[in-house]
Amino acid sequence: EIVMTQSPDTLSVSPGERATLSCRASQSVSSTLAWYQQIPGQAPRLLIYGASIRATGIPARFSGSGSGTEFTLTINILQSEDFAVYYCQQYYNWPLTFGGGTKVEI
Amino acid sequence: EVQLLESGGGLGQPGGSLRLSCAASGFSFRSYAMGWVRQAPGKGLEWVSGISESGGNTYYADSVKGRFTISRDNSKNTLYLQMTSLRAEDTALYFCAKRLQPAAAPFDYWGQGTLVTVSS
Repeated sequence: EIVMTQSPDTLSVSPGERATLSCRASQSVSSTLAWYQQIPGQAPRLLIYGASIRATGIPARFSGSGSGTEFTLTINILQSEDFAVYYCQQYYNWPLTFGGGTKVEI
Repeated sequence: EVQLLESGGGLGQPGGSLRLSCAASGFSFRSYAMGWVRQAPGKGLEWVSGISESGGNTYYADSVKGRFTISRDNSKNTLYLQMTSLRAEDTALYFCAKRLQPAAAPFDYWGQGTLVTVSS
């Protein structure tokens, strides 16, 4: 099983600032890496797939980078609706696995 | 508009069974792989099971292998998860999710979830 490790657990930022979230895979997943946003009480929303491709309707302030085992999600100019929990997920092979999540708080 | 509507959750007895359903609409259901993801109260996301477009290939997390069975009825646009030998640790919100494309892909649409509580 590929273990996904996210850091930090919690990230405290102010509106208008930049947030940088990290995700590490225990073995290479090439670029088969996705990022999701989950607001409390809601279902997850796909933000990024293929490590760097924004999903339909996702604002340009969200960007993803990396390949192999190290990945980054960057959120530029944080807005109030961006405060949420973010998960990475590998879909390189079975079982699909998620990271533990990073909470972005004010 | 893609919609995924889960049902069938509720209170289950330890050792008992429940069957979850997910009614899909707004897309060609038979053309997409599907999956179930769960989230225990206050915890992160855990992938549970996946199924190919035709239903011919199924995949399970080790935590549910041998106890849960995923299936689909493409004529009814419905995904199922048969849960048996329930354990307290199966308590979670269960999401049905559609994969972005037939090949290796993330989940691009999710339902709102159905809550399963396992308790005596």
